[in-house]
Amino acid sequence: EAGVTQFPSHSVIEKGQTVTLRCDPISGHDNLYWYRRVMGKEIKFLLHFVKESKQDESGMPNNRFLAERTGGTYSTLKVQPAELEDSGVYFCASSQDRVAGETGELFFGEGSRLTVL
Amino acid sequence: AQSVTQLDSQVPVFEEAPVELRCNYSSSVSVYLFWYVQYPNQGLQLLLKYLSGSTLVKGINGFEAEFNKSQTSFHLRKPSVHISDTAEYFCAVDVYSSASKIIFGSGTRLSIRP
Repeated sequence: EAGVTQFPSHSVIEKGQTVTLRCDPISGHDNLYWYRRVMGKEIKFLLHFVKESKQDESGMPNNRFLAERTGGTYSTLKVQPAELEDSGVYFCASSQDRVAGETGELFFGEGSRLTVL
Repeated sequence: AQSVTQLDSQVPVFEEAPVELRCNYSSSVSVYLFWYVQYPNQGLQLLLKYLSGSTLVKGINGFEAEFNKSQTSFHLRKPSVHISDTAEYFCAVDVYSSASKIIFGSGTRLSIRP
């Protein structure tokens, strides 16, 4: 069974450009999460989808970030326009059950490293 | 609001020595606690979890952690480390709610010296 896959693994862009990150969750996982880790700091929650609906987007930094999950399958996270502080590693994770704590496990992708110059 | 503090950003240790990675959390309600591990060039994977019951939890690769409610801690331990344990370890907390989200600490990088 395929795990969570993320694309691209690394993206280098200029300030002001647009980048779109993609996440393919494990098949059948309704819950999809985006997290971000800025260098050396904690992994911060961005948002949570349940199928195609945004359950919680309280962690999204600002309106330059747009996440979508069309059809409840893969998800995209677009940053437009990118700023220097957006650099970091963006992780996607999925889980089968609504409340991660009950199953106790999120399945993570390898992350997409974004460098904004 | 919940938070997780990992007191050590880096822990160097010799091979076959014991190790303890510290984690403290803050929450006004009951929590679920986790340790995740990230090996080089890989995604995070679950090492162990505390949901309820016994406060001593055993995970993969010989790791264990003890939930201490009075000290709000969930320290990770291994009696004898191996080179292959070189990785970054993340403590995390989840609070049951209709909008569950796991909160992570800043990570502890474990480096094993031969």
